[in-house]
Amino acid sequence: SAVISQKPSRDICQRGTSLTIQCQVDSQVTMMFWYRQQPGQSLTLIATANQGSEATYESGFVIDKFPISRPNLTFSTLTVSNMSPEDSSIYLCSVVKTSGGDYEFFGPGTRLTVL
Amino acid sequence: SQQGEEDPQALSIQEGENATMNCSYKTSINNLQWYRQNSGRGLVHLILIRSNEREKHSGRLRVTLDTSKKSSSLLITASRAADTASYFCATGGSEKLVFGKGTKLTVNP
Repeated sequence: SAVISQKPSRDICQRGTSLTIQCQVDSQVTMMFWYRQQPGQSLTLIATANQGSEATYESGFVIDKFPISRPNLTFSTLTVSNMSPEDSSIYLCSVVKTSGGDYEFFGPGTRLTVL
Repeated sequence: SQQGEEDPQALSIQEGENATMNCSYKTSINNLQWYRQNSGRGLVHLILIRSNEREKHSGRLRVTLDTSKKSSSLLITASRAADTASYFCATGGSEKLVFGKGTKLTVNP
């Protein structure tokens, strides 16, 4: 298994500001992902965080809005930029431990409310 | 776009009863997985079934997969109040998972 922590666990932010969410894993992992879960909805993949290179974004998500860093194999950040109320969601990071691993371990999530 | 579609969207049962949730998907898969989410928290992996498997058990969980119908079911037997959560299926084809919309299960004591 993998123990994943996210900071902050929740935040209330003002429109137009930015928030950086941190994801820390207790061991080196091959893959890290960032998801968004809008209220009452399922999970939507934002991007795959690549160590040492630019993240790979899914359709509908762009780097200017959701810049991602992954400086090493245990840590990643997601920034939600220039926030609007539509960005109010739970943001989750997940990891795959080994190359070819089939399932993901999820962090506890960051609950973001934008006023 | 979403791959899996769970059915029903919400399910309310009494403690001790069985709960069955279904998932349908659209394209070819390598595996199908079920996750649980308690009240807006992180997801917990429950069980994975590969495309060449038809049924799998884990404790009180039973998962079936019918690739000809592109569907799967999750059965929770002898449900407990602690099983109250949202349950998501996710299909794995390449490196990333695609999640369904989820079934919200409420188990009443």
